[in-house]
Amino acid sequence: NAGVMQNPRHLVRRRGQEARLRCSPMKGHSHVYWYRQLPEEGLKFMVYLQKENIIDESGMPKERFSAEFPKEGPSILRIQQVVRGDSAAYFCASSPIHGQDTGELFFGEGSRLTVL
Amino acid sequence: GQQLNQSPQSMFIQEGEDVSMNCTSSSIFNTWLWYKQEPGEGPVLLIALYKAGELTSNGRLTAQFGITRKDSFLNISASIPSDVGIYFCAGPSSNTGKLIFGQGTTLQVKP
Repeated sequence: NAGVMQNPRHLVRRRGQEARLRCSPMKGHSHVYWYRQLPEEGLKFMVYLQKENIIDESGMPKERFSAEFPKEGPSILRIQQVVRGDSAAYFCASSPIHGQDTGELFFGEGSRLTVL
Repeated sequence: GQQLNQSPQSMFIQEGEDVSMNCTSSSIFNTWLWYKQEPGEGPVLLIALYKAGELTSNGRLTAQFGITRKDSFLNISASIPSDVGIYFCAGPSSNTGKLIFGQGTTLQVKP
């Protein structure tokens, strides 16, 4: 499967625990984007990363959320001390160039976080 | 900030019917995109529009980039059950380049 790979597909956490969501972009893509989707809503931009750099994190909550895209390995979205309001589907997308200029982003199947 | 408003919010139609949905904004977008999201999946790009007035087709789907650059519509002809899903319009923000999504139009097709 050469598409964007996200794991886990489903994650259940209790309040106060940490959630780690992983994303492997499509082969040859060096730009990664994370979006959050609440039930019955559209996708909200969180962060845009290139290898080892955060380019735009204007959509990330100031506390508890962090993202990285290391030189080797997948991009990781980390949520510390989760709260019920963090329950959502988190989508990763990738592009070979700055795809947000053209809109041609390739999305993964999402990671669905449920906080009990 | 820039927002995209989609209408209708949801549609429930009979198989074979044509469908029309639209997306509007109070600000100008230089690119309009239509994505489809099926249940449990990520969004998939259907059509991309890059020029005002552009009319583009992809099979039974047709989309137009409004002349004012503040709106776009998507038409689906002769709907089939696999057209079910949420259709999102999207466009890159003019000041940050972030891709902004509308709230979606949910389509249900009755066989």
